[in-house]
Amino acid sequence: DQQVKQNSPSLSVQEGRISILNCDYTNSMFDYFLWYKKYPAEGPTFLISISSIKDKNEDGRFTVFLNKSAKHLSLHIVPSQPGDSAVYFCAASSRGSTLGRLYFGRGTQLTVWP
Amino acid sequence: DGGITQSPKYLFRKEGQNVTLSCEQNLNHDAMYWYRQDPGQGLRLIYYSQIVNDFQKGDIAEGYSVSREKKESFPLTVTSAQKNPTAFYLCASSIPGGSKTEAFFGQGTRLTVV
Repeated sequence: DQQVKQNSPSLSVQEGRISILNCDYTNSMFDYFLWYKKYPAEGPTFLISISSIKDKNEDGRFTVFLNKSAKHLSLHIVPSQPGDSAVYFCAASSRGSTLGRLYFGRGTQLTVWP
Repeated sequence: DGGITQSPKYLFRKEGQNVTLSCEQNLNHDAMYWYRQDPGQGLRLIYYSQIVNDFQKGDIAEGYSVSREKKESFPLTVTSAQKNPTAFYLCASSIPGGSKTEAFFGQGTRLTVV
């Protein structure tokens, strides 16, 4: 049973525009959320995170929004660049679970075209 | 350079053979993890270890075994009992100091059964 869901397997955006990647979760015990970026045949790299005590966290072109009541988070990339083309994984963890154990969504393939 | 090293990058195995994937980290992290990635499946947890000489099954542990004799090393053995071993395997580590720490990933090992 997927506790973290990314319902859009792919997203295509023009360079310079905003990319919005969405993620939903079902476990109300999750209190820390992360986004990872992954290129083919490589390991995921950490992008940005947010704690449940916040509703927004920003790092350069990347912003993550958290809506706890809706159990929903989103990653905004502005402006999008061709180098952003990759698979993006949403992940979540809980203080009550194994420390550091992450639950991953299935990923969204972002393609940024010129 | 601190990081996680997985070897080999590509591995071929005949059906019925066991094979061991290597994972070494010099980040001084206590916790280590093995994930498996299949197309459209996201990252699924195979085994994890929070401390030397201790490890726990993840969500898909059947057909796999691990050991944690040293803090730096967490090898994964794919046994002949694993029915669908062809996949991309990712090793990760983190500091178990609470849920606010992201996991760092290796570059992965692509295992193909021939």
